[in-house]
Amino acid sequence: GENVEQHPSTLSVQEGDSAVIKCTYSDSASNYFPWYKQELGKGPQLIIDIRSNVGEKKDQRIAVTLNKTAKHFSLHITETQPEDSAVYFCAATPTISNFGNEKLTFGTGTRLTIIP
Amino acid sequence: GAGVSQSPSNKVTEKGKDVELRCDPISGHTALYWYRQSLGQGLEFLIYFQGNSAPDKSGLPSDRFSAERTGGSVSTLTIQRTQQEDSAVYLCASSLRSREQYFGPGTRLTVT
Repeated sequence: GENVEQHPSTLSVQEGDSAVIKCTYSDSASNYFPWYKQELGKGPQLIIDIRSNVGEKKDQRIAVTLNKTAKHFSLHITETQPEDSAVYFCAATPTISNFGNEKLTFGTGTRLTIIP
Repeated sequence: GAGVSQSPSNKVTEKGKDVELRCDPISGHTALYWYRQSLGQGLEFLIYFQGNSAPDKSGLPSDRFSAERTGGSVSTLTIQRTQQEDSAVYLCASSLRSREQYFGPGTRLTVT
């Protein structure tokens, strides 16, 4: 099955600087890569996603890049703010299963702390 | 509109007792997923529903775990004879067939 590795596990960044979180995946058939932000006591919230037919996607201060050849994808947050502090998870889907579902395989998370 | 809701938010139970966790998905979402998040870990897939059917139960860790969904809406995850290793946050997500899964706030289960 799919295996997703995420680095780093913790990341501290000065407010205003950029943060980068990286993930690698094992299944070359994976074609959907979402990123989730989880704040304390809350469920994960989808913040951005990318599909395998594009290499980069941006949404304001957040961007995701995908390198299918190397099987890795990254989350970039620019001009970080205190409210960006949270745990971030990457995920990938293997080939659509025989059941038609998109069973996400998650990385183990990155705790991002923005230092004021 | 309303998001995914889960109840209870917290549940403390004694080892050996049965528990039921409830998920109310976003109205109109046909797909529903249960995940488990252990302390400091990522999310582990448990089960997937399409409508009222569960074609993928591959993530259920043992036969003590079961789930059902009725009316294509509410789902209940049941854990029988709870063990301490069942302590975790149980998360529910729903989606249309667009792959974007929307998560509820989770139920924190503590087995003492």
